Amino acid sequence: AQKVTQAQTEISVVEKEDVTLDCVYETRDTTYYLFWYKQPPSGELVFLIRRNSFDEQNEISGRYSWNFQKSTSSFNFTITASQVVDSAVYFCALTRNDYKLSFGAGTTVTVRA
Amino acid sequence: SAVISQKPSRDICQRGTSLTIQCQVDSQVTMMFWYRQQPGQSLTLIATANQGSEATYESGFVIDKFPISRPNLTFSTLTVSNMSPEDSSIYLCSVESTFNEQFFGPGTRLTVL
Repeated sequence: AQKVTQAQTEISVVEKEDVTLDCVYETRDTTYYLFWYKQPPSGELVFLIRRNSFDEQNEISGRYSWNFQKSTSSFNFTITASQVVDSAVYFCALTRNDYKLSFGAGTTVTVRA
Repeated sequence: SAVISQKPSRDICQRGTSLTIQCQVDSQVTMMFWYRQQPGQSLTLIATANQGSEATYESGFVIDKFPISRPNLTFSTLTVSNMSPEDSSIYLCSVESTFNEQFFGPGTRLTVL
């Protein structure tokens, strides 16, 4: 069985602070894929990143960065210098080769001006 | 990335009625999925829409309640049958796109009175 745990329910920060969202996963598969999605108040789900289990390189995209550590089964997401527009619910998700996503509970990020 | 549209974007329905949600993709895709997001909750996979054959349902979801059609590689429908207030949710379709990314439609917000 697959499981994704996002222990942080809500995070509130002031603009320009850094925010790190934790994601811990469980799977028995050796091949799997991890995702992060953003869901702003408008409701649509925005794809942020996909990482496969064989690629442990960290990735940076603008103010976003991801830290994948297989040893601790974690795939954490950091927003640097947060902005009000970053306010959203962020979901971590896991899938095997069948593309069926198992989502974490989500973390609500509120960035105050 | 695939462009996905859903109709209707939202609806308010009476208990006992049915609603059919459409999902249209701008390119042919192999895998299409339907998810449900209950208020304040994470996303749960309902079923995989298979082209030319019956949908594959996840545990807790049945065809009589959520019949799905997939007549071609760019289109699918999900029907929510004999609705009750517990069916009030956002329903999202998802597709597997090039490079194994997964994208979501804008969602259909359903309220059942």
